[in-house]
Amino acid sequence: DAGVTQSPTHLIKTRGQQVTLRCSPKSGHDTVSWYQQALGQGPQFIFQYYEEEERQRGNFPDRFSGHQFPNYSSELNVNALLLGDSALYLCASSRTDSSTDTQYFGPGTRLTVL
Amino acid sequence: AQSVTQLGSHVSVSEGALVLLRCNYSSSVPPYLFWYVQYPNQGLQLLLKYTSAATLVKGINGFEAEFKKSETSFHLTKPSAHMSDAAEYFCAVSEGDSGGYQKVTFGTGTKLQVIP
Repeated sequence: DAGVTQSPTHLIKTRGQQVTLRCSPKSGHDTVSWYQQALGQGPQFIFQYYEEEERQRGNFPDRFSGHQFPNYSSELNVNALLLGDSALYLCASSRTDSSTDTQYFGPGTRLTVL
Repeated sequence: AQSVTQLGSHVSVSEGALVLLRCNYSSSVPPYLFWYVQYPNQGLQLLLKYTSAATLVKGINGFEAEFKKSETSFHLTKPSAHMSDAAEYFCAVSEGDSGGYQKVTFGTGTKLQVIP
């Protein structure tokens, strides 16, 4: 049973560019959450997708957007990249009907903005 | 609003010694609580979780944590540290019913160093 997978593993962009990160949830999971983890910090919640809709959003600007596909996979898009967007981006999946509310994390995508 | 405070950004222990990583939470409803471990350049791995069942929760790799409502704490312990335990540990809290929104709030992390 494959766990949560993310692609690419590493990415280098320049300021002003746009980036798309991808996530495939764990088998049986229907909910995907995205987190940004800056160096030396804990993960910060960006948003969560369920049934192809954004269900909740953290304190991130509109430059951060996402999408969830019918197969539950998800994309995170960041427009007009800033140096401060450099971070590890983590995807987590879960089951909305789960009684334990547990999120399982992927290995992350390391984004470097130059 | 939920929050998590991890006391001590760095903790050093000798190999074989007790590991104690502290976590206090704030939540307006009965919370779900988690400990995750992160090895360098990797994602987060779930160590254990509290979901309102037994207050003493046993996890993987010999770790356990005790939920103390009166102290709003969920400290992580391991009787005997191993070199492979060196990593960063995150405490996290999740509010809300299991059928709805699942925002997880993380602490700032504690880096555990194990000294040979």
